[in-house]
Amino acid sequence: GAGVSQTPSNKVTEKGKYVELRCDPISGHTALYWYRQSLGQGPEFLIYFQGTGAADDSGLPNDRFFAVRPEGSVSTLKIQRTERGDSAVYLCASSPGGQGVNTEAFFGQGTRLTVV
Amino acid sequence: KQEVTQIPAALSVPEGENLVLNCSFTDSAIYNLQWFRQDPGKGLTSLLLIQSSQREQTSGRLNASLDKSSGRSTLYIAASQPGDSATYLCAVSGSARQLTFGSGTQLTVLP
Repeated sequence: GAGVSQTPSNKVTEKGKYVELRCDPISGHTALYWYRQSLGQGPEFLIYFQGTGAADDSGLPNDRFFAVRPEGSVSTLKIQRTERGDSAVYLCASSPGGQGVNTEAFFGQGTRLTVV
Repeated sequence: KQEVTQIPAALSVPEGENLVLNCSFTDSAIYNLQWFRQDPGKGLTSLLLIQSSQREQTSGRLNASLDKSSGRSTLYIAASQPGDSATYLCAVSGSARQLTFGSGTQLTVLP
């Protein structure tokens, strides 16, 4: 595709529910990142995929958060038992680089998650 | 742990002025530094990428510099326009590949 696509653009859910956020990276990009951005702050790293595997998941805040990328392209961020504190904009980025490659990251428009 | 600081947090200038946004980072072992623009309610648009071996990059009215040893970068915007109003974020990447962001500078260019 022309750019990184994230769906849905907005999601409102009730506390305690399960949500899935989807990211379609730029075609051919092997690296994919999820970030979370709270109001007035810069994005904070959640997880990084290189191909199908999670190369670094050190930013996931707790075990309610999980992400997959089964075929090395589309990724899904999954949040269980949502809490009001999970409300934020979730951003996805992709880059063409593999290990040892220093490349530019391209971001999607984000999914605004509101937990009520 | 890498920390990125951006000052000022907000800046308001009249149209036509040249301006400088500042970014500092605590760990100089970076691979690259990127400047982004974010419009309200939108994602991030990449403006400039500076590799760790480079000192500056230019794109149109934008010029970004990097002094890795002192942990500083600046984004220079020439002849500012109301359309430049947005939040500007800088981010650094290191061996961990992830980007570490500052909190941004909210720029308002007054017509």
